[in-house]
Amino acid sequence: AAGVIQSPRHLIKEKRETATLKCYPIPRHDTVYWYQQGPGQDPQFLISFYEKMQSDKGSIPDRFSAQQFSDYHSELNMSSLELGDSALYFCASSLGWAEQFFGPGTRLTVL
Amino acid sequence: TQLLEQSPQFLSIQEGENLTVYCNSSSVFSSLQWYRQEPGEGPVLLVTVVTGGEVKKLKRLTFQFGDARKDSSLHITAAQPGDTGLYLCAGPWSSARQLTFGSGTQLTVLP
Repeated sequence: AAGVIQSPRHLIKEKRETATLKCYPIPRHDTVYWYQQGPGQDPQFLISFYEKMQSDKGSIPDRFSAQQFSDYHSELNMSSLELGDSALYFCASSLGWAEQFFGPGTRLTVL
Repeated sequence: TQLLEQSPQFLSIQEGENLTVYCNSSSVFSSLQWYRQEPGEGPVLLVTVVTGGEVKKLKRLTFQFGDARKDSSLHITAAQPGDTGLYLCAGPWSSARQLTFGSGTQLTVLP
């Protein structure tokens, strides 16, 4: 069965640079979620989209923005990167209120 | 303060032993999910429990949802080294769709 696809899997950036993470949800899933997981921590919700509209917002910094496109894929744009942004970034998708399925994640390292 | 408290945080056992992981909250959840996560990978959904008092079995794993839907447990029978991983409980809190995660239980099964 098709799963959530994330790219890139690994990303290394310098401080103050920008990064774009991409997420391709499971086909026919209409909701996309972004989570951030720091070392030794549980995933923290950033933002979600339902039918291409932002639905909920969590602890997402103002330096980050995201959107969901007409083909339902989503991108997380991160600007003015800081050392503390180094983390695993997960995308999850669901069909409505059903269970969320997670992608393999993007490991972002900010030097 | 963690909305979902998991215990124990760390568990190291020998192959063949049984174990139980607990997920507790003072709040009522409409459902709870259990995920297992390998290092550097995304959480993989194991089960969703919805009804108070519900028990679900997945081979050697037994999941239970408390009658009041405030707590859940995961019991593993005859643990195997392949069960090693980070076990996370998570649920949508209040009217939100996004998941609130527990602090996680790192399980190590020694051969």
